[in-house]
Amino acid sequence: DAGITQSPRYKITETGRQVTLMCHQTWSHSYMFWYRQDLGHGLRLIYYSAAADITDKGEVPDGYVVSRSKTENFPLTLESATRSQTSVYFCASKDRAYEQYFGPGTRLTVT
Amino acid sequence: AQTVTQSQPEMSVQEAETVTLSCTYDTSESDYYLFWYKQPPSRQMILVIRQEAYKQQNATENRFSVNFQKAAKSFSLKISDSQLGDAAMYFCAYRSGETGFQKLVFGTGTRLLVSP
Repeated sequence: DAGITQSPRYKITETGRQVTLMCHQTWSHSYMFWYRQDLGHGLRLIYYSAAADITDKGEVPDGYVVSRSKTENFPLTLESATRSQTSVYFCASKDRAYEQYFGPGTRLTVT
Repeated sequence: AQTVTQSQPEMSVQEAETVTLSCTYDTSESDYYLFWYKQPPSRQMILVIRQEAYKQQNATENRFSVNFQKAAKSFSLKISDSQLGDAAMYFCAYRSGETGFQKLVFGTGTRLLVSP
């Protein structure tokens, strides 16, 4: 299906484990973004990418790693999950002519 | 750095009535864009309306309209003839107009309750 998808939609993991959240878009948009949503903070940018192999930090990058080897994929990895990373994670994509389209979100719980 | 402030954590409105959600922002730029996003219980982020700073005319989309006051750095959303389906979190967001700068800065959101 066309659009932007995220997997998994729900994830429970333990402190210290590595976890990867996947994001895939079918529009060939240049830009992709990862946000986290927490009560009282709205959405905050973690990392973004302007094109394949180009990534840059956002407002809250600590504890996260991203890669973008292909235009359509932008995985977000928590190298050693902490309870403070319990959140809802949104991926988004954009091209110059359009505004950001958001994925459905992943609810991550770190126990 | 740009900031976006939504001072109303929660608002209530009755069906068919009108409600206004407030948003203020801080920037030193002259070229930028402002947005309102809706997040229903499904969690999906939906773009409601967009305003270009260089346009004096306020944007409208059906029952949704904005009051853009550039000098006051204010950007409110008016929802007319409110419907039960309008119940959601609403986020105000800012994007620089600088070429290649595509990041969004969000406010903390306003929860809109709609009663029959």
